[in-house]
Amino acid sequence: NAGVTQTPKFQVLKTGQSMTLQCAQDMNHNSMYWYRQDPGMGLRLIYYSASEGTTDKGEVPNGYNVSRLNKREFSLRLESAAPSQTSVYFCASRATGGPYGYTFGSGTRLTVV
Amino acid sequence: SQQGEEDPQALSIQEGENATMNCSYKTSINNLQWYRQNSGRGLVHLILIRSNEREKHSGRLRVTLDTSKKSSSLLITASRAADTASYFCATDSWGKLQFGAGTQVVVTP
Repeated sequence: NAGVTQTPKFQVLKTGQSMTLQCAQDMNHNSMYWYRQDPGMGLRLIYYSASEGTTDKGEVPNGYNVSRLNKREFSLRLESAAPSQTSVYFCASRATGGPYGYTFGSGTRLTVV
Repeated sequence: SQQGEEDPQALSIQEGENATMNCSYKTSINNLQWYRQNSGRGLVHLILIRSNEREKHSGRLRVTLDTSKKSSSLLITASRAADTASYFCATDSWGKLQFGAGTQVVVTP
């Protein structure tokens, strides 16, 4: 099925560990996004990539890095996880030339202990 | 900071009733979008309204936009149990979406 695929779906990390969240889309979208969702706060933008080869900071980029590996894939890395990064992470993509809505992945639930 | 804020935070209705939720935002926008999120799932795009539009319909959904008041409303008519979900408004400013905290809607049979 066409869409946005995120891996893993669940992850538990210890404080200080690192990990990479993977995201891939098969809709030939140019723009990709990483959001985090915390209870009662909606979604907040971490990083985005308007097109292959470009990345920009969003609202809450501290503690994260991203890589736009190619047009399909956009990864989010936590170099040294902290309990404040416990959240649900969503990747999304969007076609350009719109306006269009975003297509979201099913999320990664991350717990940092 | 959040651009959009939904009201009410929670809404409980019976099947067949209409559900209305509102969204207010702070800065100028290109368009405003509404999304639905079922528990534990990703967000699903419902409808987009451009800044130069005032009303838009899609099936049982009706969205209005008042740019002078910086507000929007989403109406779901003849609600069903399957409409139970959280609903988020999101403002699009130059390609970046900012979300509100959402309205949790429960539809009871």
